[in-house]
Amino acid sequence: AQKVTQAQTEISVVEKEDVTLDCVYETRDTTYYLFWYKQPPSGELVFLIRRNSFDEQNEISGRYSWNFQKSTSSFNFTITASQVVDSAVYFCALSEASDSWGKFQFGAGTQVVVTP
Amino acid sequence: DTGVSQDPRHKITKRGQNVTFRCDPISEHNRLYWYRQTLGQGPEFLTYFQNEAQLEKSRLLSDRFSAERPKGSFSTLEIQRTEQGDSAMYLCASSFVGAGGVSPGANVLTFGAGSRLTVL
Repeated sequence: AQKVTQAQTEISVVEKEDVTLDCVYETRDTTYYLFWYKQPPSGELVFLIRRNSFDEQNEISGRYSWNFQKSTSSFNFTITASQVVDSAVYFCALSEASDSWGKFQFGAGTQVVVTP
Repeated sequence: DTGVSQDPRHKITKRGQNVTFRCDPISEHNRLYWYRQTLGQGPEFLTYFQNEAQLEKSRLLSDRFSAERPKGSFSTLEIQRTEQGDSAMYLCASSFVGAGGVSPGANVLTFGAGSRLTVL
């Protein structure tokens, strides 16, 4: 069963618009980590943010922010004032304690296209 | 440290041939992972090692797939008798997980650039 769902296949925006990416996860663990990774056209996956299940405080890091809500099992990610360099595929991922933090499970990804 | 290195970056082979991919992780990392990524999909977990021990291999796609990490450093992923359906990007990643579990900065996968396999 798919544990991480990214319902949005592609989002297209004009530069400087905000982009919010949705992620819904499924786990029976009480201890887990959630991640966002970026895969630019060059292909290499790049770590963006990590959040543990005990910290629902939403934060902002530069132009990135995230909204973690355990009640709805969602971990949404926002890029503020998008730039062309933000064009990439973004993946949400889950790592669980019951799994000894082993199998990172990724969603199918959301393609973000930022046009000038 | 230059990050996670994978070799070769591209491999074209004929159906039925064997192929081997190599991954050199970040030296301080004790865990090494193999993933497969097909077009339009997220990375799919295959197997992972902690040091030289292979802790999970049930997701290897068939008995044609095998992975080793003989000295707890580099790893190889071998695919025997390749099929056209094996065409994909094979990704390696590494991380550090301490004895006590996950500490700040740990358990973050650092990926290599991948090895793209094309089976004709």
